[in-house]
Amino acid sequence: DAMVIQNPRYQVTQFGKPVTLSCSQTLNHNVMYWYQQKSSQAPKLLFHYYDKDFNNEADTPDNFQSRRPNTSFCFLDIRSPGLGDAAMYLCATSRDDTGSYEQYFGPGTRLTVT
Amino acid sequence: AQTVTQSQPEMSVQEAETVTLSCTYDTSENNYYLFWYKQPPSRQMILVIRQEAYKQQNATENRFSVNFQKAAKSFSLKISDSQLGDTAMYFCAFMSYGNKLVFGAGTILRVKS
Repeated sequence: DAMVIQNPRYQVTQFGKPVTLSCSQTLNHNVMYWYQQKSSQAPKLLFHYYDKDFNNEADTPDNFQSRRPNTSFCFLDIRSPGLGDAAMYLCATSRDDTGSYEQYFGPGTRLTVT
Repeated sequence: AQTVTQSQPEMSVQEAETVTLSCTYDTSENNYYLFWYKQPPSRQMILVIRQEAYKQQNATENRFSVNFQKAAKSFSLKISDSQLGDTAMYFCAFMSYGNKLVFGAGTILRVKS
């Protein structure tokens, strides 16, 4: 089945130690998103790729970076994780030429910072 | 900037009964999309139902339907014949341009047997 896959599902990192979260998709969607979701809160958009074009949200900290080497993969890099970065990180995809604008979400990676 | 408000942090409903989740939004746009997403405990978020603002007819998907009032900027979700599997966090979301979703704070729905 076509889907959005996130690895790992759970990630523990130390304060200040760089960490990379990955997302892959078999839907061939041209738009990919990264959201941060803290406990019992709404997802907050960090950035998204429209094809190869990177779009950063104005309030996304510089500590967060992203890479999209090809259509299928997208990575979230946190350069120096702080305790406040502990959260669920959601990857989503969409295709903008269908008119539906539905976003398909992955299962998320839960990041713990010790 | 667009905002989405869900005024009910938590709701409960008995199995087989009907429940309505409220959502209001604020925008100056005329063309936009509204969504309800469901996020079950420890499971991924999935789309429940979608409404295009230019359509007057309310969207329905099996037991799920919406009451879209464009002038009032209201977009409520009705779940009929509630099932235990409907227990989840429900997010109302808005999209106008740029493919960016704006989410409400969410409503936790608990279906009781």
